[in-house]
Amino acid sequence: QSVLTQPPSVSAAPGQKVTISCSGSSSNIGNNYVSWYQQLPGTAPKLLIYDNNKRPSGIPDRFSGSKSGTSATLGITGLQTGDEADYYCGTWDSSLSAGLVFGGGTKLTVL
Amino acid sequence: QVTLRESGPALVKPTQTLTLTCTFSGFSLSTSGMCVSWIRQPPGKALEWLARIDWDDDKYYSTSLKTRLTISKDTSKNQVVLTMTNMDPVDTATYYCARYIAARDAFDIWGQGTMVTVSS
Repeated sequence: QSVLTQPPSVSAAPGQKVTISCSGSSSNIGNNYVSWYQQLPGTAPKLLIYDNNKRPSGIPDRFSGSKSGTSATLGITGLQTGDEADYYCGTWDSSLSAGLVFGGGTKLTVL
Repeated sequence: QVTLRESGPALVKPTQTLTLTCTFSGFSLSTSGMCVSWIRQPPGKALEWLARIDWDDDKYYSTSLKTRLTISKDTSKNQVVLTMTNMDPVDTATYYCARYIAARDAFDIWGQGTMVTVSS
């Protein structure tokens, strides 16, 4: 069971928008930056968002991130079939079990 | 160009010790703010962070696996080594190394991963 909670799956049609939530607590999301990763089938994860809402070079602005309190959200607009992947949130946890923590992952299906 | 590559045995027996090596290029682990982490992913399951080593040799471990893990670095060889003792079939997973940028609090570059199966 992951420290960060994500919905197991989301789906939307091509061209539409989807959001993926990541819920945590004050010991992790509430007091630390959140990052988001995309994992295409059979490949290694790829950084999409860091520092809650910043995109690395090369990541299109269709991908956005936000954080409010102890929750974070990844938004994807203009969905493409190539966006079908697993998405993970991650952050540092400052509790007694300190360390990097990931969400359980969300499978995005583009219908 | 920053790259990382994991290497190690594809198959280990239960109770054995696993040793994985991450060989990287395009950055130096002696540069302030640079870190390397190990993350694993059992088949069909989520990512699990294992350990991290920083440019100043600070080390961090997953609380649940701390007693079994050791992370070290050889800056001259651009390598980070992870050892995991007392391997069990539940440790079967793809093991990734990734560069962690302290200033970004994120893993910005990942290796391709290496699959490790624990079986007798």
